[in-house]
Amino acid sequence: SQKIEQNSEALNIQEGKTATLTCNYTNYSPAYLQWYRQDPGRGPVFLLLIRENEKEKRKERLKVTFDTTLKQSLFHITASQPADSATYLCAINTGGFKTIFGAGTRLFVKA
Amino acid sequence: GAVVSQHPSRVICKSGTSVKIECRSLDFQATTMFWYRQFPKKSLMLMATSNEGSKATYEQGVEKDKFLINHASLTLSTLTVTSAHPEDSSFYICSALAEGFYSNQPQHFGDGTRLSIL
Repeated sequence: SQKIEQNSEALNIQEGKTATLTCNYTNYSPAYLQWYRQDPGRGPVFLLLIRENEKEKRKERLKVTFDTTLKQSLFHITASQPADSATYLCAINTGGFKTIFGAGTRLFVKA
Repeated sequence: GAVVSQHPSRVICKSGTSVKIECRSLDFQATTMFWYRQFPKKSLMLMATSNEGSKATYEQGVEKDKFLINHASLTLSTLTVTSAHPEDSSFYICSALAEGFYSNQPQHFGDGTRLSIL
């Protein structure tokens, strides 16, 4: 079955460093992949979308890569800030309207 | 833009009660809305896809008579948990896609409803 794996362990980093989160998927070849941010008790907020023919996408301090051979996406936050602390979800489109989400990785940025 | 409002944000009620959750797109028309359920530290689990003016499509294992979905207008979808029991306690989240859907469009999420059944 289609599966998305994100590191279930929380990632703790120091303010100012680059945070790198990993998303691996199996048994599917998505046309695009999305990253969302979710704060406790809130709904996810869309951050970035990257298509299968794009290797890298940037938005301000965020960068996403998409390796369709490895079936992996990396999500980077440069110059991280305590306000970046949240859970980050990876999502892939599985055809038509349907999207499946990873369980997310919790990021803690220490001041 | 693309704001989705979900109401109520929290519900606590007795076992056997039916609970209705509303999901509204405030500044756009949503032809398609999704209902998810999320357990602590788990991924969003898609329950059903709701299209305006038609019956919802439920995912395997989701009881359609238990979780009633109505998408009567382009800005409102409702989820009713009928005869709720403690095992229905969870965080329910809706999302919406704007009219004129194209496949790589992101979803706009509400802030979720925390349902607690005593």
